[in-house]
Amino acid sequence: ETGVTQSPTHLIKTRGQQVTLRCSSQSGHNTVSWYQQALGQGPQFIFQYYREEENGRGNFPPRFSGLQFPNYSSELNVNALELDDSALYLCASSLTSGGAGSYNEQFFGPGTRLTVL
Amino acid sequence: GEDVEQSLFLSVREGDSSVINCTYTDSSSTYLYWYKQEPGAGLQLLTYIFSNMDMKQDQRLTVLLNKKDKHLSLRIADTQTGDSAIYFCAESKRGSQGNLIFGKGTKLSVKP
Repeated sequence: ETGVTQSPTHLIKTRGQQVTLRCSSQSGHNTVSWYQQALGQGPQFIFQYYREEENGRGNFPPRFSGLQFPNYSSELNVNALELDDSALYLCASSLTSGGAGSYNEQFFGPGTRLTVL
Repeated sequence: GEDVEQSLFLSVREGDSSVINCTYTDSSSTYLYWYKQEPGAGLQLLTYIFSNMDMKQDQRLTVLLNKKDKHLSLRIADTQTGDSAIYFCAESKRGSQGNLIFGKGTKLSVKP
């Protein structure tokens, strides 16, 4: 059983550019959540994908978008990059199977470190 | 104000107990979590507690939850140098378990 993997590990972009980050979920998981962790801060929820559809979104502008594929892997796309987008981007996968109150542990990947110059 | 608050730093001696505290604001939180993050790494779930529980123990870790005061703590017994890391408290709410709300993290330094 493989864990959550993310690519690339590090990335440097300039303001105004676009970036795509990738996440492969843990085997058997059907849900992917993305988080942004700025330096010295806790992770902030960007959005979650379940069955290839967005299933909840945090306080991030529309230039942050995502996709989930039939194999449950996911992409995070950020357009018109700004300096403040520099952060560690974390992906977490889980298995959504129970009701609204059920516990679904999220397993985090190692993250992609994005630097915007 | 912040949904989840933690003190930023804690320093202890090896072998002592560490207690990391957290306060949260939303009484509808269903699960509360403690994550560990080592330098350059992702997040590792240490333990979690359901909101109708008061305490959970797992080997060296003890979680205490005071729902009335919205206070969560993590006690690490016999703290080791390998426990040096940043510890995040997080909460999730009914119907949105995928949306974890994290504190800013407490940096634990363990001195030999």
